[in-house]
Amino acid sequence: LAKTTQPISMDSYEGQEVNITCSHNNIATNDYITWYQQFPSQGPRFIIQGYKTKVTNEVASLFIPADRKSSTLSLPRVSLSDTAVYYCLVGDPRGSTLGRLYFGRGTQLTVWP
Amino acid sequence: GAVVSQHPSWVICKSGTSVKIECRSLDFQATTMFWYRQFPKQSLMLMATSNEGSKATYEQGVEKDKFLINHASLTLSTLTVTSAHPEDSSFYICSASGVLARDNEQFFGPGTRLTVL
Repeated sequence: LAKTTQPISMDSYEGQEVNITCSHNNIATNDYITWYQQFPSQGPRFIIQGYKTKVTNEVASLFIPADRKSSTLSLPRVSLSDTAVYYCLVGDPRGSTLGRLYFGRGTQLTVWP
Repeated sequence: GAVVSQHPSWVICKSGTSVKIECRSLDFQATTMFWYRQFPKQSLMLMATSNEGSKATYEQGVEKDKFLINHASLTLSTLTVTSAHPEDSSFYICSASGVLARDNEQFFGPGTRLTVL
């Protein structure tokens, strides 16, 4: 399993764009990159998933460079409600892990007014 | 997205008793359910994977006799913490994956806070 490294914490202000980078130097060919969001005392929530280049949905964008050794979650114009822990996970959806997710430490994002 | 519920949302019990936590997929059939444990200020730790109608697969270091998992139907999995002790106090979260899931997506429940006195 590819190990991931993220900053432990980040701070931002409302209305700013936030970019959280995750390093995964040992990512395998079949691995996808998935980001989850977790609020205190709640289960994680799927944000976005990608394999290469750029993926965008209604809440975030995911940028993956050609070597795929890192990825950046971009949250446009954050609000106070985006304060949460963000987890980057790497794995093969159809591989030996059979869907099992192994969470790293995550990044605590705090948005200030 | 799909909805997963857990019951109870919190429970307090005495040391030595057993506690059962239910995980239900409300609007889809969950072929696979996962159980996680999360201690304060720490990340989620995968405990076990359960497939409907078969025995659960436990992660290394997780005692299968202490954490009993049953996945009797495509919408229900239960985790029973047997002979609970204070060190079992934690936030237990389940997730489900099924026909609605894209690739590796799992739908997580809201969690159950267990406090053992």
